[in-house]
Amino acid sequence: KNEVEQSPQNLTAQEGEFITINCSYSVGISALHWLQQHPGGGIVSLFMLSSGKKKHGRLIATINIQEKHSSLHITASHPRDSAVYICAALSYSGGGADGLTFGKGTHLIIQP
Amino acid sequence: KAGVTQTPRYLIKTRGQQVTLSCSPISGHRSVSWYQQTPGQGLQFLFEYFSETQRNKGNFPGRFSGRQFSNSRSEMNVSTLELGDSALYLCASSLTNSANEQFFGPGTRLTVL
Repeated sequence: KNEVEQSPQNLTAQEGEFITINCSYSVGISALHWLQQHPGGGIVSLFMLSSGKKKHGRLIATINIQEKHSSLHITASHPRDSAVYICAALSYSGGGADGLTFGKGTHLIIQP
Repeated sequence: KAGVTQTPRYLIKTRGQQVTLSCSPISGHRSVSWYQQTPGQGLQFLFEYFSETQRNKGNFPGRFSGRQFSNSRSEMNVSTLELGDSALYLCASSLTNSANEQFFGPGTRLTVL
């Protein structure tokens, strides 16, 4: 069974700061998702990674398969980035895909 | 292109009742996954359907079931509701499986009294 840990659980920062959110998982995976959830519940997929690094605007996601670790970075943070960020890992066992295992989420608040 | 839709958005039931939730995926998406989100447990995987077949199931009791129709629309059913089933139920669609980008619906907020 895959265990997914995120850190920090809560993060408050000032506008403009560089933000890093970390995600570690316990077993080999085939893909890792980063999701964003705003108050009210809506979830948006930010990245899907199986190796290396991806960039979209001010957001950067990296994954190190050997170390079982992924990071989400936000450059030049803005109050509209305030949300819960969730990582989710897709692992496989003998019977096929196990379905996504989610971290508990990081509550990010960016103050103006 | 229309997004993922879920109906109803809000639902109040009493213990012992059953409930059916519906999810319409993005056109062309054949995989639908269901998730439960609670304050205590966070997001948990319920099941995944592809081409009308359940491909995978999370660690939930048999009271939780689902199905997928030939047009890829999916329903999930919870029988004999318990207080602990109160949660936000989210579905997500993707082209073929959970390794693809997931597109989430707005969720159904279920309250069990």
